[in-house]
Amino acid sequence: DSGVTQTPKHLITATGQRVTLRCSPRSGDLSVYWYQQSLDQGLQFLIQYYNGEERAKGNILERFSAQQFPDLHSELNLSSLELGDSALYFCASSFQGAETQYFGPGTRLLVL
Amino acid sequence: EDKVVQSPLSLVVHEGDTVTLNCSYEVTNFRSLLWYKQEKKAPTFLFMLTSSGIEKKSGRLSSILDKKELFSILNITATQTGDSAIYLCAVDLHIGGSNYKLTFGKGTLLTVNP
Repeated sequence: DSGVTQTPKHLITATGQRVTLRCSPRSGDLSVYWYQQSLDQGLQFLIQYYNGEERAKGNILERFSAQQFPDLHSELNLSSLELGDSALYFCASSFQGAETQYFGPGTRLLVL
Repeated sequence: EDKVVQSPLSLVVHEGDTVTLNCSYEVTNFRSLLWYKQEKKAPTFLFMLTSSGIEKKSGRLSSILDKKELFSILNITATQTGDSAIYLCAVDLHIGGSNYKLTFGKGTLLTVNP
Protein backbone atom coordinates (compact mmCIF):
# COMPACT_ATOMS: atom_id res chain seq x y z
CA ASP A 1 0.00 0.00 0.00
CA SER A 2 1.62 3.23 -1.22
CA GLY A 3 -0.44 5.54 0.99
CA VAL A 4 -2.04 7.23 -2.03
CA THR A 5 -5.80 6.73 -2.24
CA GLN A 6 -8.06 7.11 -5.25
CA THR A 7 -11.81 6.97 -5.64
CA PRO A 8 -13.78 5.51 -7.24
CA LYS A 9 -12.12 2.22 -8.20
CA HIS A 10 -14.33 1.71 -11.22
CA LEU A 11 -16.53 4.06 -13.18
CA ILE A 12 -18.84 3.24 -16.08
CA THR A 13 -20.47 6.11 -17.91
CA ALA A 14 -21.81 7.13 -21.29
CA THR A 15 -20.31 9.26 -24.04
CA GLY A 16 -20.82 12.98 -23.55
CA GLN A 17 -20.93 12.73 -19.76
CA ARG A 18 -18.67 14.32 -17.17
CA VAL A 19 -16.89 12.55 -14.30
CA THR A 20 -14.65 13.52 -11.41
CA LEU A 21 -11.82 11.35 -10.13
CA ARG A 22 -10.41 11.97 -6.67
CA CYS A 23 -6.99 11.46 -5.17
CA SER A 24 -5.46 11.89 -1.72
CA PRO A 25 -1.67 11.98 -1.66
CA ARG A 26 0.59 10.34 0.91
CA SER A 27 0.86 12.21 4.17
CA GLY A 28 3.45 14.96 3.78
CA ASP A 29 3.59 14.89 -0.02
CA LEU A 30 2.90 18.22 -1.68
CA SER A 31 3.05 17.13 -5.32
CA VAL A 32 0.27 15.28 -7.09
CA TYR A 33 0.53 13.88 -10.60
CA TRP A 34 -2.17 12.46 -12.87
CA TYR A 35 -1.54 9.78 -15.49
CA GLN A 36 -3.63 7.99 -18.07
CA GLN A 37 -2.82 4.40 -18.97
CA SER A 38 -4.30 2.75 -22.04
CA LEU A 39 -3.24 -0.41 -23.85
CA ASP A 40 -1.91 1.34 -26.94
CA GLN A 41 -0.39 4.46 -25.37
CA GLY A 42 1.12 3.14 -22.16
CA LEU A 43 1.38 5.39 -19.12
CA GLN A 44 1.00 9.03 -20.15
CA PHE A 45 1.63 12.01 -17.88
CA LEU A 46 -1.30 14.42 -17.80
CA ILE A 47 -0.67 17.14 -15.23
CA GLN A 48 1.15 17.96 -11.97
CA TYR A 49 0.12 20.11 -9.04
CA TYR A 50 2.37 21.29 -6.25
CA ASN A 51 0.86 22.72 -3.08
CA GLY A 52 -2.26 23.85 -4.88
CA GLU A 53 -0.64 25.27 -8.00
CA GLU A 54 -0.33 23.76 -11.45
CA ARG A 55 3.33 22.94 -12.10
CA ALA A 56 3.58 20.94 -15.30
CA LYS A 57 1.34 19.83 -18.11
CA GLY A 58 1.70 16.80 -20.28
CA ASN A 59 -0.64 15.31 -22.85
CA ILE A 60 -3.82 16.58 -21.23
CA LEU A 61 -6.81 17.26 -23.45
CA GLU A 62 -8.69 20.54 -23.20
CA ARG A 63 -11.78 18.56 -22.11
CA PHE A 64 -9.85 17.49 -19.00
CA SER A 65 -8.99 19.69 -16.06
CA ALA A 66 -7.62 19.22 -12.57
CA GLN A 67 -7.17 21.08 -9.34
CA GLN A 68 -5.51 20.60 -5.97
CA PHE A 69 -7.28 21.79 -2.87
CA PRO A 70 -5.85 23.37 0.32
CA ASP A 71 -5.93 19.97 2.06
CA LEU A 72 -3.77 18.73 -0.87
CA HIS A 73 -6.27 16.27 -2.27
CA SER A 74 -6.74 16.55 -6.01
CA GLU A 75 -9.53 16.05 -8.51
CA LEU A 76 -9.34 15.27 -12.20
CA ASN A 77 -12.40 16.32 -14.17
CA LEU A 78 -13.11 14.66 -17.51
CA SER A 79 -15.90 16.14 -19.62
CA SER A 80 -17.60 15.44 -22.97
CA LEU A 81 -16.37 11.89 -22.59
CA GLU A 82 -15.53 9.85 -25.67
CA LEU A 83 -15.05 6.12 -26.10
CA GLY A 84 -11.32 6.67 -26.40
CA ASP A 85 -11.16 8.11 -22.89
CA SER A 86 -11.69 4.62 -21.48
CA ALA A 87 -8.49 3.90 -19.56
CA LEU A 88 -6.91 3.51 -16.14
CA TYR A 89 -6.29 6.85 -14.48
CA PHE A 90 -3.55 6.94 -11.86
CA CYS A 91 -2.68 9.54 -9.32
CA ALA A 92 0.83 9.66 -7.87
CA SER A 93 2.40 11.81 -5.20
CA SER A 94 5.88 12.79 -4.17
CA PHE A 95 7.58 14.98 -1.63
CA GLN A 96 8.05 18.34 -3.36
CA GLY A 97 9.42 17.55 -6.81
CA ALA A 98 11.28 14.40 -5.91
CA GLU A 99 11.82 11.83 -8.60
CA THR A 100 10.27 8.92 -6.73
CA GLN A 101 6.55 9.02 -7.22
CA TYR A 102 4.18 6.73 -5.34
CA PHE A 103 1.15 5.59 -7.25
CA GLY A 104 -2.41 5.10 -6.09
CA PRO A 105 -4.47 2.03 -7.06
CA GLY A 106 -6.03 3.79 -10.03
CA THR A 107 -9.55 4.42 -11.29
CA ARG A 108 -10.71 2.30 -14.20
CA LEU A 109 -12.98 4.36 -16.45
CA LEU A 110 -15.17 2.74 -19.07
CA VAL A 111 -17.06 4.99 -21.47
CA LEU A 112 -19.89 3.25 -23.32
CA GLU B 1 10.36 14.63 -28.87
CA ASP B 2 11.44 12.70 -25.78
CA LYS B 3 11.38 8.93 -26.26
CA VAL B 4 11.71 5.98 -23.92
CA VAL B 5 11.78 2.58 -25.60
CA GLN B 6 11.61 -0.71 -23.78
CA SER B 7 12.40 -4.14 -25.13
CA PRO B 8 11.26 -6.77 -25.41
CA LEU B 9 7.56 -5.91 -25.28
CA SER B 10 6.78 -9.33 -23.87
CA LEU B 11 8.80 -12.20 -22.45
CA VAL B 12 7.81 -15.68 -21.23
CA VAL B 13 10.28 -17.69 -19.15
CA HIS B 14 10.34 -20.63 -16.75
CA GLU B 15 10.91 -20.31 -13.03
CA GLY B 16 14.61 -20.16 -12.26
CA ASP B 17 15.57 -18.42 -15.49
CA THR B 18 17.46 -15.13 -15.55
CA VAL B 19 15.98 -12.26 -17.56
CA THR B 20 17.31 -8.94 -18.78
CA LEU B 21 14.96 -6.11 -19.62
CA ASN B 22 16.15 -3.17 -21.67
CA CYS B 23 15.32 0.52 -21.65
CA SER B 24 16.81 3.06 -24.05
CA TYR B 25 16.05 6.74 -24.13
CA GLU B 26 16.44 9.84 -26.27
CA VAL B 27 15.59 12.83 -24.13
CA THR B 28 16.74 16.31 -23.29
CA ASN B 29 17.50 17.46 -19.74
CA PHE B 30 17.81 14.02 -18.19
CA ARG B 31 17.78 13.90 -14.38
CA SER B 32 17.31 10.22 -13.53
CA LEU B 33 15.90 6.90 -14.69
CA LEU B 34 13.42 4.88 -12.68
CA TRP B 35 12.13 1.32 -12.84
CA TYR B 36 8.64 0.38 -11.68
CA LYS B 37 6.86 -2.97 -11.38
CA GLN B 38 3.15 -3.05 -12.22
CA GLU B 39 1.18 -6.11 -11.23
CA LYS B 40 -2.58 -5.90 -11.16
CA LYS B 41 -2.87 -2.23 -10.41
CA ALA B 42 -0.55 0.55 -9.32
CA PRO B 43 3.09 0.73 -10.42
CA THR B 44 5.41 0.19 -7.46
CA PHE B 45 8.85 1.77 -7.30
CA LEU B 46 11.91 -0.47 -7.75
CA PHE B 47 15.00 1.62 -8.47
CA MET B 48 16.17 5.10 -9.25
CA LEU B 49 19.43 5.53 -11.17
CA THR B 50 21.27 8.79 -11.65
CA SER B 51 24.91 7.83 -12.21
CA SER B 52 26.46 5.67 -14.90
CA GLY B 53 27.99 2.33 -14.01
CA ILE B 54 26.74 2.08 -10.44
CA GLU B 55 24.64 -1.02 -9.96
CA LYS B 56 21.57 -0.83 -7.75
CA LYS B 57 20.56 -4.14 -6.21
CA SER B 58 17.59 -5.40 -4.27
CA GLY B 59 17.45 -9.14 -3.69
CA ARG B 60 17.28 -10.89 -7.05
CA LEU B 61 16.77 -7.64 -8.94
CA SER B 62 19.53 -5.34 -10.10
CA SER B 63 19.81 -2.43 -12.49
CA ILE B 64 22.48 -0.32 -14.07
CA LEU B 65 22.54 2.86 -16.15
CA ASP B 66 24.79 3.83 -19.05
CA LYS B 67 24.45 7.58 -19.62
CA LYS B 68 26.87 7.56 -22.53
CA GLU B 69 24.95 4.97 -24.53
CA LEU B 70 21.61 6.14 -23.09
CA PHE B 71 20.22 2.89 -21.80
CA SER B 72 19.51 0.92 -18.68
CA ILE B 73 18.99 -2.75 -17.98
CA LEU B 74 16.99 -4.49 -15.29
CA ASN B 75 18.15 -8.01 -14.39
CA ILE B 76 16.10 -10.54 -12.52
CA THR B 77 17.87 -13.76 -11.48
CA ALA B 78 16.24 -17.03 -10.39
CA THR B 79 12.83 -15.78 -11.52
CA GLN B 80 9.71 -16.77 -9.60
CA THR B 81 6.06 -16.76 -10.65
CA GLY B 82 5.60 -13.73 -8.39
CA ASP B 83 7.90 -11.76 -10.69
CA SER B 84 5.22 -11.89 -13.41
CA ALA B 85 4.27 -8.27 -14.07
CA ILE B 86 4.73 -5.34 -16.40
CA TYR B 87 8.07 -3.64 -15.81
CA LEU B 88 8.03 0.07 -16.60
CA CYS B 89 11.02 2.28 -17.27
CA ALA B 90 10.63 6.03 -16.79
CA VAL B 91 12.97 8.94 -17.37
CA ASP B 92 12.75 12.01 -15.16
CA LEU B 93 13.23 15.17 -17.22
CA HIS B 94 13.78 18.77 -16.30
CA ILE B 95 11.14 20.84 -18.11
CA GLY B 96 11.99 24.30 -16.86
CA GLY B 97 12.33 26.19 -13.60
CA SER B 98 12.05 23.72 -10.76
CA ASN B 99 9.70 21.47 -12.71
CA TYR B 100 10.24 17.89 -13.78
CA LYS B 101 8.14 15.18 -15.34
CA LEU B 102 8.34 11.41 -15.81
CA THR B 103 8.15 9.98 -19.33
CA PHE B 104 7.37 6.26 -19.36
CA GLY B 105 8.16 3.53 -21.82
CA LYS B 106 5.35 1.18 -22.84
CA GLY B 107 6.65 -1.55 -20.55
CA THR B 108 7.82 -5.14 -20.79
CA LEU B 109 5.29 -7.83 -19.88
CA LEU B 110 7.14 -10.61 -18.08
CA THR B 111 5.40 -13.94 -17.57
CA VAL B 112 7.14 -16.54 -15.41
CA ASN B 113 5.72 -20.04 -15.77
CA PRO B 114 6.15 -22.69 -13.07
